[in-house]
Amino acid sequence: QKEVEQNSGPLSVPEGAIASLNCTYSDRGSQSFFWYRQYSGKSPELIMSIYSNGDKEDGRFTAQLNKASQYVSLLIRDSQPSDSATYLCAVNKGTGNQFYFGTGTSLTVIP
Amino acid sequence: KAGVTQTPRYLIKTRGQQVTLSCSPISGHRSVSWYQQTPGQGLQFLFEYFSETQRNKGNFPGRFSGRQFSNSRSEMNVSTLELGDSALYLCASSLASGGANVLTFGAGSRLTVL
Repeated sequence: QKEVEQNSGPLSVPEGAIASLNCTYSDRGSQSFFWYRQYSGKSPELIMSIYSNGDKEDGRFTAQLNKASQYVSLLIRDSQPSDSATYLCAVNKGTGNQFYFGTGTSLTVIP
Repeated sequence: KAGVTQTPRYLIKTRGQQVTLSCSPISGHRSVSWYQQTPGQGLQFLFEYFSETQRNKGNFPGRFSGRQFSNSRSEMNVSTLELGDSALYLCASSLASGGANVLTFGAGSRLTVL
């Protein structure tokens, strides 16, 4: 069983719509959760971090964490073509900077 | 403020050779982690160094090794290269070592093994 699982997509949404990205993790003891965005040919960059159950909002992005269901999601409101990228979910179990990444969900926002 | 710098950006090697990749973290960052990224497996953790000590090691064979210097710069070495080692190797730096820390990635070193 993989530590972190994501639907690889591709996910396509029209411009202005809400994009919903999901991630599940296997270790119930996982402590911190991150969403990274990776444009084609570029390195990952952090979008959001979340550490406790509930929602965390930052601009057009909302991260949601449900530890009971071992589930993390990212909502992108008012999606823009510039949001087209691969979104990586990452989980840390509290052991230094050893992060477990999902294989990513490819998002395309259609103008 | 300079970001994470990785060299070389691209390299081609043949099977059996060895390779050394270098990473200079953001100034003041003491933790350096290395990840391998391939299309099939995604990002996989190799190892983390903090204050010149290896803190964690991922599930990779002993051919993969690394070190960190007193100025926090890090190198990773892959010996006896195999075709399957072809990948993008990403270095990430962080202020400290701990699960709540944010990773800042370098541009990566793309290794092709022929």
